[in-house]
Amino acid sequence: EADIYQTPRYLVIGTGKKITLECSQTMGHDKMYWYQQDPGMELHLIHYSYGVNSTEKGDLSSESTVSRIRTEHFPLTLESARPSHTSQYLCASSESATNTEAFFGQGTRLTVV
Amino acid sequence: KNQVEQSPQSLIILEGKNCTLQCNYTVSPFSNLRWYKQDTGRGPVSLTIMTFSENTKSNGRYTATLDADTKQSSLHITASQLSDSASYICVVSDRGSTLGRLYFGRGTQLTVWP
Repeated sequence: EADIYQTPRYLVIGTGKKITLECSQTMGHDKMYWYQQDPGMELHLIHYSYGVNSTEKGDLSSESTVSRIRTEHFPLTLESARPSHTSQYLCASSESATNTEAFFGQGTRLTVV
Repeated sequence: KNQVEQSPQSLIILEGKNCTLQCNYTVSPFSNLRWYKQDTGRGPVSLTIMTFSENTKSNGRYTATLDADTKQSSLHITASQLSDSASYICVVSDRGSTLGRLYFGRGTQLTVWP
């Protein structure tokens, strides 16, 4: 069982609200990632981090922002949610070395109405 | 363009039968290939990871193969169980960047019927 946790698991929220999706890992991993996944589609990288105070945008453009103040914590924030943000958001982490496993959280299913 | 293609898109088999899922990729330079199992509404869980020098790896009833020359991989599931019903995702990592970027296939949706 991977020690990476996401909260909430499900979130239904109205348009225009500010939301923060939480992701925490207790494995001491330097690399952390946020992916977005629509039903039946592949995962798309939206943000990643090499370590504390490091954040980078991924391949898929996203209006969300992230922060990495602590190694174990990598929250994702949407300042003003829109229906187009409805999706599943998956957080992952891995060690810095190559060829190491990436561990995924259970995901947050976000619905913006 | 780095891509990962999986086939079939979906598959239905009877409990106890074997099946093989396919993955073709164009990711270069290649670092490793992973197979993940993703249950509906959950995060992916790693089954196997193979580097360039490995051509087969097993994890219980799951056996993955890799042909780095033809850029193909397969995942063979033996004696399927109802709990094998899930999406199986092929993920290829490159070594052309510090991140070790992961490229995801769309997955094969496997349904096992009793």
